[in-house]
Amino acid sequence: DSGVTQTPKHLITATGQRVTLRCSPRSGDLSVYWYQQSLDQGLQFLIQYYNGEERAKGNILERFSAQQFPDLHSELNLSSLELGDSALYFCASSGPTGNIEKLFFGSGTQLSVL
Amino acid sequence: GESVGLHLPTLSVQEGDNSIINCAYSNSASDYFIWYKQESGKGPQFIIDIRSNMDKRQGQRVTVLLNKTVKHLSLQIAATQPGDSAVYFCAENNAGNMLTFGGGTRLMVKP
Repeated sequence: DSGVTQTPKHLITATGQRVTLRCSPRSGDLSVYWYQQSLDQGLQFLIQYYNGEERAKGNILERFSAQQFPDLHSELNLSSLELGDSALYFCASSGPTGNIEKLFFGSGTQLSVL
Repeated sequence: GESVGLHLPTLSVQEGDNSIINCAYSNSASDYFIWYKQESGKGPQFIIDIRSNMDKRQGQRVTVLLNKTVKHLSLQIAATQPGDSAVYFCAENNAGNMLTFGGGTRLMVKP
């Protein structure tokens, strides 16, 4: 168990809908990272938050947004969903510095857009 | 853009043999590398990391080798066990605070 908690584990929804994925980092970790894993794209970095502030941005679509709350949990919001958004979404956390260190990944949320 | 890649998408080894998983990177400015293991239905699990000022690092049954001259990273697993069957990813820190992952290599261990 990595200590990173993600909910829900599975999500099935329809095109055009909006969903929210939730992540609780390991105790003491200030950074939260979101990754998307699909069969044809591998693990793609979406966005990083550090202590409530956006720290780095990857290939995140404008339809997607994230935030980190004062208690350090994070949410990834996906809107106007398309079939191609079906993927595994992982959250990871790392230690207190905000710099890249070994990331600890949650078990992921499997999103299926029908 | 620059990316991390893997030579072999699938590696099949006999239980007890040593495994070597390779990874090529293209950004000479990358200064930190990590290997992750991902089992079916689980998130990536940290195995070992190495900074660019080192060329070798050992863990429990695993060794990571870094050859900066040819921009090559490898993961060696000694006495491979069935529990080692998984997909292995290398990742590099090549743009500040972002890890770029390779496409993954599936390791299959035959009993």
